[in-house]
Amino acid sequence: GIQVEQSPPDLILQEGANSTLRCNFSDSVNNLQWFHQNPWGQLINLFYIPSGTKQNGRLSATTVATERYSLLYISSSQTTDSGVYFCAVVFSSGSARQLTFGSGTQLTVLP
Amino acid sequence: DVKVTQSSRYLVKRTGEKVFLECVQDMDHENMFWYRQDPGLGLRLIYFSYDVKMKEKGDIPEGYSVSREKKERFSLILESASTNQTSMYLCASRNPDTRLYNEQFFGPGTRLTVL
Repeated sequence: GIQVEQSPPDLILQEGANSTLRCNFSDSVNNLQWFHQNPWGQLINLFYIPSGTKQNGRLSATTVATERYSLLYISSSQTTDSGVYFCAVVFSSGSARQLTFGSGTQLTVLP
Repeated sequence: DVKVTQSSRYLVKRTGEKVFLECVQDMDHENMFWYRQDPGLGLRLIYFSYDVKMKEKGDIPEGYSVSREKKERFSLILESASTNQTSMYLCASRNPDTRLYNEQFFGPGTRLTVL
């Protein structure tokens, strides 16, 4: 069935390290977003990126729509980067145009 | 900046009570959504609304209803709360529905506990 898979499920880093989070999706998409969920549960929009590459400070994202994956890069990680990172897509074939979420990557950055 | 607000951050109710969760957005978005988030199950769509007085069921509508009387407000209603509805509830809204740009924005969430 239609799926969004994220890897790795858990990631532990030392402060200052770089990391790459991956999102694979099973069908073509109209929309892809990356979110960071903070410890209070708020979903913070990081990128709206159905294709191409974007950068915002230490974070960048690349989506290769034809190969059905997206990558989120975090450079020089900080303890405040800790939390769960979600990838979510709107599948082109979907009638509801709703976001389908991956299961998330739990990132822990140690001081 | 887009702002989506929810009426409560934390809520404790008793089994059988009628519960209202309110969501308000200030960006004139036509589309609004209610999700619940549970450990191991991720975010699941309960109901959504494309416009005022319009509603459609999501993946898990059972036990819930919604109301959209005004464009900026989308209410989730638990007619008779049950313990299995203890969860984190997240509201979201989205730009007018175009295929060019439809980024979704979330509120801070409501942690509901049903005793």
